[in-house]
Amino acid sequence: IAGITQAPTSQILAAGRRMTLRCTQDMRHNAMYWYRQDLGLGLRLIHYSNTAGTTGKGEVPDGYSVSRANTDDFPLTLASAVPSQTSVYFCASSSDRGREQFFGPGTRLTVL
Amino acid sequence: EDQVTQSPEALRLQEGESSSLNCSYTVSGLRGLFWYRQDPGKGPEFLFTLYSAGEEKEKERLKATLTKKESFLHITAPKPEDSATYLCAVHVQGAQKLVFGQGTRLTINP
Repeated sequence: IAGITQAPTSQILAAGRRMTLRCTQDMRHNAMYWYRQDLGLGLRLIHYSNTAGTTGKGEVPDGYSVSRANTDDFPLTLASAVPSQTSVYFCASSSDRGREQFFGPGTRLTVL
Repeated sequence: EDQVTQSPEALRLQEGESSSLNCSYTVSGLRGLFWYRQDPGKGPEFLFTLYSAGEEKEKERLKATLTKKESFLHITAPKPEDSATYLCAVHVQGAQKLVFGQGTRLTINP
């Protein structure tokens, strides 16, 4: 089934641990995005990539890093997790910057 | 500052009771407006894209319209399965990111 897959579905993580959230799309979209969604704050962009090999910072990038080695994969890494990074994380993709974005099912992350 | 405001925050309707959700925006230049549906515990599901004032899009019981300052999502004769949070987002000219509204939580009672 075409779309976006994310892994893991959920994770409980000790503070200070390193964690990588995985995202893969099979729509051959150029642009990919990582958001976090928190109650009362809505969806906030963490990082984005307009095309393979390039990345950029969104509105809440601190504590997160991304890479885009190929078109399909866009992993998000938390180098040293902190409790404030407890959230639901969504990966999204679009054919090009500014076009409609399609979202994955999300990863629920709890940092203790 | 670019802003998107959705109203109401929550709306309860009886099955078959039509209504509209509002998304008002103040942005420097609109490149596109998007509507999404989000069910609890799931990712947003794309519904519509609107690019210019006067444009309308329809899908089953939903119709989205756009003016220069706002968009409406009209729901005609809703069913309980239409219950969800509806999100509006705008793409601002020259910007990388979409600006999302806070959403309207819609509940349709049978």
